[in-house]
Amino acid sequence: ETGVTQTPRHLVMGMTNKKSLKCEQHLGHNAMYWYKQSAKKPLELMFVYNFKEQTENNSVPSRFSPECPNSSHLFLHLHTLQPEDSALYLCASSQGTGKNTEAFFGQGTRLTVV
Amino acid sequence: QKEVEQDPGPLSVPEGAIVSLNCTYSNSAFQYFMWYRQYSRKGPELLMYTYSSGNKEDGRFTAQVDKSSKYISLFIRDSQPSDSATYLCAYKTALTGANNLFFGTGTRLTVIP
Repeated sequence: ETGVTQTPRHLVMGMTNKKSLKCEQHLGHNAMYWYKQSAKKPLELMFVYNFKEQTENNSVPSRFSPECPNSSHLFLHLHTLQPEDSALYLCASSQGTGKNTEAFFGQGTRLTVV
Repeated sequence: QKEVEQDPGPLSVPEGAIVSLNCTYSNSAFQYFMWYRQYSRKGPELLMYTYSSGNKEDGRFTAQVDKSSKYISLFIRDSQPSDSATYLCAYKTALTGANNLFFGTGTRLTVIP
């Protein structure tokens, strides 16, 4: 177990649905991240939160809405997604956001948009 | 030009073989180099981390960095079926404050018993 838990593991949703992905870390870290992993593409950083404050948004469409109520929990709210949004969504956490910090990843949520 | 180029494979080798995985990068600002291993249906886990040119060894794994050629390699000696996974190279600049990693696409490795 990595210490970073994501639910659900798999999600199928229609383009008009609203759903949320949940991430919880048990490592006492201060920073949390959402990454998108598509087939044959590099991992893409989506959002960064440090001490509950969003510090980075990599030009992510507004149909993805993150929420970080505390340093241990991170959500990704989804609405009116497109089929090309189908991917593995990975949550990660780290002790801080400095250059030497290691990111610990969850197992991901496999999202399919139909 | 992509920031990071990595051959996606797939790569199949017999058990006991030496595996060589490679990445090239274009950004001279990259200062920190990492290899992540990702098993099927799992998230990536950090395998090796280095910030200098040369070799870094950890058990059967050796990471090699050549900053002048902008080239990094991961060697796996005496490969085992349990090494079957996707290997991702990743880079980070010295300038960024955020944990902003630039990843390769990953090379899928299968070690055949």
